[in-house]
Amino acid sequence: KAGVTQTPRYLIKTRGQQVTLSCSPISGHRSVSWYQQTPGQGLQFLFEYFSETQRNKGNFPGRFSGRQFSNSRSEMNVSTLELGDSALYLCASSLSPGLAGGGRGANEQFFGPGTRLTVL
Amino acid sequence: AQSVTQLGSHVSVSEGALVLLRCNYSSSVPPYLFWYVQYPNQGLQLLLKYTSAATLVKGINGFEAEFKKSETSFHLTKPSAHMSDAAEYFCAVSDLGGGSNYKLTFGKGTLLTVNP
Repeated sequence: KAGVTQTPRYLIKTRGQQVTLSCSPISGHRSVSWYQQTPGQGLQFLFEYFSETQRNKGNFPGRFSGRQFSNSRSEMNVSTLELGDSALYLCASSLSPGLAGGGRGANEQFFGPGTRLTVL
Repeated sequence: AQSVTQLGSHVSVSEGALVLLRCNYSSSVPPYLFWYVQYPNQGLQLLLKYTSAATLVKGINGFEAEFKKSETSFHLTKPSAHMSDAAEYFCAVSDLGGGSNYKLTFGKGTLLTVNP
């Protein structure tokens, strides 16, 4: 079974531009989460999508947005890029939540290789 | 809000020595805990997870972790380090948030160096 794929793997943009990153989850996984990884802040949760709906959002400005398509593929968009947006953006997929509450929290998240975004 | 503290941003061991990476969590409810490993220029790979079954959890590549509620700890160990274990290790706790929301809260990570 193919793993989580992310495209592109590397991206260079300049301040003020916008960028769209793509994530294809493992077949059968309907939940997709996005994380930002930087040396200073570590791994931070951006948002999670399930069945084309954003279910949870981290503490990031509105410039960061995302969506999920009917085939569970997800995209995240960052508008008006800033230097501080330079980071590794990781996508993770997990099985659809079959149980409420704790059962879902135990689901393993499978991570893609990430997209390295550099903002100049 | 849940949080994770990893003691030691950098741990260095000799090949064949015991590996001990420390993780303490803060949670108001019984947590689900995870250890992930990240090799250079790669994503995160799950080593093991605790989901309220056995307190001693065995994972891949010879790693294991013990959940200790009284100490709010979930330390990762491996009896004998191998050169291929050199990587960054992250402890994480699942956060159910409100309702059925779900996210992982990560520690800052521990870089493991294995010396020949």
